[in-house]
Amino acid sequence: EVQLLESGGGLVQPGGSLRLSCAASGFTFSRYAMSWVRQGPGKGLEWVSSISGSGSSTYYAVSVTGLFTISRDNSKNTLYLQMNSLRAEDTAVYYCAKFNRAGYSSGNYFDYWGQGTLVTVSS
Amino acid sequence: QSLLTQPPSASGTPGQRVTISCSGSSSNIGSNTVNWYQQLPGTAPKLLIYSNNQRTSGVPDRFSGSKSGASASLAFSGLQSEDEADYYCAAWDDSLNGVVFGGGTKLTVL
Repeated sequence: EVQLLESGGGLVQPGGSLRLSCAASGFTFSRYAMSWVRQGPGKGLEWVSSISGSGSSTYYAVSVTGLFTISRDNSKNTLYLQMNSLRAEDTAVYYCAKFNRAGYSSGNYFDYWGQGTLVTVSS
Repeated sequence: QSLLTQPPSASGTPGQRVTISCSGSSSNIGSNTVNWYQQLPGTAPKLLIYSNNQRTSGVPDRFSGSKSGASASLAFSGLQSEDEADYYCAAWDDSLNGVVFGGGTKLTVL
């Protein structure tokens, strides 16, 4: 059974940093691209960042480019999101999501999601 | 402002047929496949339909997806109370080189 378990969320002041983790199990982690998707309070879903199965390629939404860094440790079956210079508009539930393939291209879709971790940016 | 446009709400009575639309452009739905996600209250999203019209394992056949040009739709034939949820369409966008979502449609079963 595929399981994705996020952790690392919490309350952080504007301008602060936070690192999210996603522990994966139930599938061969290195064979699939992974992503972070967020959902602001009462809002819709927003793709944040993706990384290829090998970790060699990374992709970001315009809104977080230069601020967030996605990475993975295939030996630990774990996905990360380092978030710097956080702003109030980054407040959201952050979901870890598995892509259906290793690469990053059209035809990809999120076939499994974690339960999410809440990040609140406030003073 | 989402690149994919969905109605914010939809409703129907049990047993009724309901359709949710999703409108995009040539850079997303017009040239790529559409996927639909269901988000039950207080839970994470779950893949419902992929590649325009393929149901995920375990999804009953009263759910169906279709696509025509730069628009797509999700249909419920025989609405049930447990279908009450938020539904999101999504597609790859060639211009952004990433996934774009619709704003979501809240489905209410009256």
